[in-house]
This record gives sequence, structure tokens and C-alpha cells, in this order.
Amino acid sequence: QQQVKQSPQSLIVQKGGISIINCAYENTAFDYFPWYQQFPGKGPALLIAIRPDVSEKKEGRFTISFNKSAKQFSLHIMDSQPGDSATYFCAARGEAAGNKLTFGGGTRVLVKP
Amino acid sequence: ETGVTQTPRHLVMGMTNKKSLKCEQHLGHNAMYWYKQSAKKPLELMFVYNFKEQTENNSVPSRFSPECPNSSHLFLHLHTLQPEDSALYLCASSQVGQGGGNTIYFGEGSWLTVV
Repeated sequence: QQQVKQSPQSLIVQKGGISIINCAYENTAFDYFPWYQQFPGKGPALLIAIRPDVSEKKEGRFTISFNKSAKQFSLHIMDSQPGDSATYFCAARGEAAGNKLTFGGGTRVLVKP
Repeated sequence: ETGVTQTPRHLVMGMTNKKSLKCEQHLGHNAMYWYKQSAKKPLELMFVYNFKEQTENNSVPSRFSPECPNSSHLFLHLHTLQPEDSALYLCASSQVGQGGGNTIYFGEGSWLTVV
């Protein structure tokens, strides 16, 4: 049973465009939602994270939008650059859910110059 | 430079071999993890250690045997593996409990190929 569903599986965007990745979760005990970025040959690295008490968090060109009632959250990459080409994973975690980090399936983003 | 170091980065082993993956974290964390990453599946949590004690084993076959001698080191002993075990094995650490954050830090992974 996949508790965090991520879409799309892959995404191609032109340089300067907006990349949007969506995630949906089922467990209402989740209370922490990070996004990880993984470059080829590297381990995932934390990019940005949000808690459900806010609806949006922005760090530079990266923004998380969070909809608690719909149990959905998304990552927006503004002004996408070729260096943003990577695989992005959403995740969810909650102390009441065993405090484990549950990952989505990943989205491979390719930014064309 | 990652605070979680994994060796070897690449490993090719036969199905009858015995090998080990090593992980060391330099972050002062009290929890360590093994994850498996393969092409067609999401990141799979394999084992969790809190304060050197194994707190989770996600139905991992016994051909994978973890060892955590102290809070900074984690091993994954491998024996009689199958070709489908070929994957990227990621070690991670975090600080859990009072005052701990929620961030999990990953190493760069060990690419395992079973032939």
C-alpha cells in the first residue's frame, strides 16, 4: 500500500519555465512533509519541508503548497534551470505514524536549455 | 560534503559471496537507517536503529544482516544474494527524540550489482 502517491513520474520543462510536482497522502497522522532532490550518482538531499500549519513555504525558486483538507502538497520550481535536472521525492512523516519517513515514487525532471 | 559516508561506492558480487557495506555518520545523530533504491520502486526502508538498537526490520530477507556497533557506524552484511537484490543501498541518519529535528541525511549510496 503506497501511502504517498507522487505524479508525474517524469517531467520535461524549458529553461525559465515552471516545474510542478504533486503528491497526495492518505495518513492524517503525517505532520511533516519534506522534499528531497537527488542528482545521478548521489544520495537524496533535503530541499525544502513544510508542516501542515502553513499553506505555503518558499525558499528561493522552490515553493511548497500544502492543502490539508485535500491531503495534497506540491513542489513548484520557478524559473527552472538546467542545473535543476534531477529526481525529486516527496515524503511524509508523523510521530503518530511511527515517525518513519514514507517516500513517494519520485519525479525525474529534465530542464532543457 | 555529506556528513554520512558510505563504502564501497560500487560493489559487484557473485551470488555465493559474502560482503559488507559500511556507513559512518559524522553528525552526532542517534538513529541510523538502511534504504534500498531500485529503478522501479520507491525508496524502501529496510532497517532502523535507534541508540544502536534495531527498532525496525521491514520484512527484509535474512540474506541481509545489519549491524550497528555504535551510534556512528552501521553495516549491512550481504550473503547469498540474488540478482534482483542489485540496487543502490542508501544509509541515512537523523536525530530523534526531544530536541531532535525531523531531517534525515543520506549518504551517497553503495551501488550493488549481483551477478
